Amino acid sequence: DTEVTQTPKHLVMGMTNKKSLKCEQHMGHRAMYWYKQKAKKPPELMFVYSYEKLSINESVPSRFSPECPNSSLLNLHLHALQPEDSALYLCASRGASGGTGELFFGEGSRLTVL
Amino acid sequence: AQRVTQPEKLLSVFKGAPVELKCNYSYSGSPELFWYVQYSRQRLQLLLRHISRESIKGFTADLNKGETSFHLKKPFAQEEDSAMYYCALYFGNEKLTFGTGTRLTIIP
Repeated sequence: DTEVTQTPKHLVMGMTNKKSLKCEQHMGHRAMYWYKQKAKKPPELMFVYSYEKLSINESVPSRFSPECPNSSLLNLHLHALQPEDSALYLCASRGASGGTGELFFGEGSRLTVL
Repeated sequence: AQRVTQPEKLLSVFKGAPVELKCNYSYSGSPELFWYVQYSRQRLQLLLRHISRESIKGFTADLNKGETSFHLKKPFAQEEDSAMYYCALYFGNEKLTFGTGTRLTIIP
């Protein structure tokens, strides 16, 4: 299995809802990423987990809460989001420790906040 | 500051013509540079990395440290090359930073 799988593909939520995005990889990669991509913009780094520990938080608002339950899974918990948080959320994984920066991306979860 | 710049947001090229997508970077260390491609309705995927010096789908890219550039080139454009192309810089501390991207359109 050489893919990063994200669920759900589409999510619509209200500003008071609590929802989660899920990401899974079975390539044995030890670094996992969340990126946010707005329309016609490049992906922006949000969080990085390395060996199941949060290593990078790019000053993301606390209404986004990442979680890495094990080396294959990555979640992004969403609460009290704003309409401007509507975007494509990309999960990625990276295999080599201390080496190449090649990332493998999922197809993304398209989030709409009403 | 570390930065990746792609000066062209849009680039249109006739089929069969040469293609060059520009990428410049600003980084004080030894850079690790990539080109990623996003075809319509497909996931972001790696096209090239400077370390391997390989050619994928006819594309090549050479790292020029003097000019701090990593331009993507293809001698003869094909219609299936139409996509969004991102140059990306890896800092070695888990961060992969993308340029603003160039949308390439191949005109039949």
